[in-house]
Amino acid sequence: RKEVEQDPGPFNVPEGATVAFNCTYSNSASQSFFWYRQDCRKEPKLLMSVYSSGNEDGRFTAQLNRASQYISLLIRDSKLSDSATYLCVVNSSGTYKYIFGTGTRLKVLA
Amino acid sequence: NAGVTQTPKFRILKIGQSMTLQCAQDMNHNYMYWYRQDPGMGLKLIYYSVGAGITDKGEVPNGYNVSRSTTEDFPLRLELAAPSQTSVYFCASSYVVHKNTEAFFGQGTRLTVV
Repeated sequence: RKEVEQDPGPFNVPEGATVAFNCTYSNSASQSFFWYRQDCRKEPKLLMSVYSSGNEDGRFTAQLNRASQYISLLIRDSKLSDSATYLCVVNSSGTYKYIFGTGTRLKVLA
Repeated sequence: NAGVTQTPKFRILKIGQSMTLQCAQDMNHNYMYWYRQDPGMGLKLIYYSVGAGITDKGEVPNGYNVSRSTTEDFPLRLELAAPSQTSVYFCASSYVVHKNTEAFFGQGTRLTVV
């Protein structure tokens, strides 16, 4: 089983739609969780960290469910500029290695 | 405010050649990482370093070597290039003092082995 798993998509949604991605992780001792965004042929960039109580940044909401070992990302009012690959990242306990999922491709359609 | 700088940006190697991918960060970060990303895949950790003089293997270290003689630099060495090493290589760094510390990435090196 992969340490971090994501649905690769693609998710094709119209502008203005709400879309949600899930990610599961296998190591119950994982400490830190992140969503990164990666545009085509570019480096990954932090979108948001995921805190235990859940957190929101504008149109983006991240949630953590430790009991079920998954994190989620909700994007409201999708924009064309949201088209990208969203990478789920888990920081393994004690070693600070960032473990990446394969990413979920999002395409927002006009 | 350079952040993480990788050189070169692109390189074509012949099978059996060797090369060094350079990575430098100017943020005084203690942790540094090398990842590779194959088409349509996530990032796989090759090697990482928790500080000068200390390196450790990641998920896919075979065919690579690293060194960390200074806090700023973390070069990745390919000794005998193989077609399977065709990939995009990303260097990253982070300043780990507590959890939820993010990693910052360089712009990547696109390597093709023919």
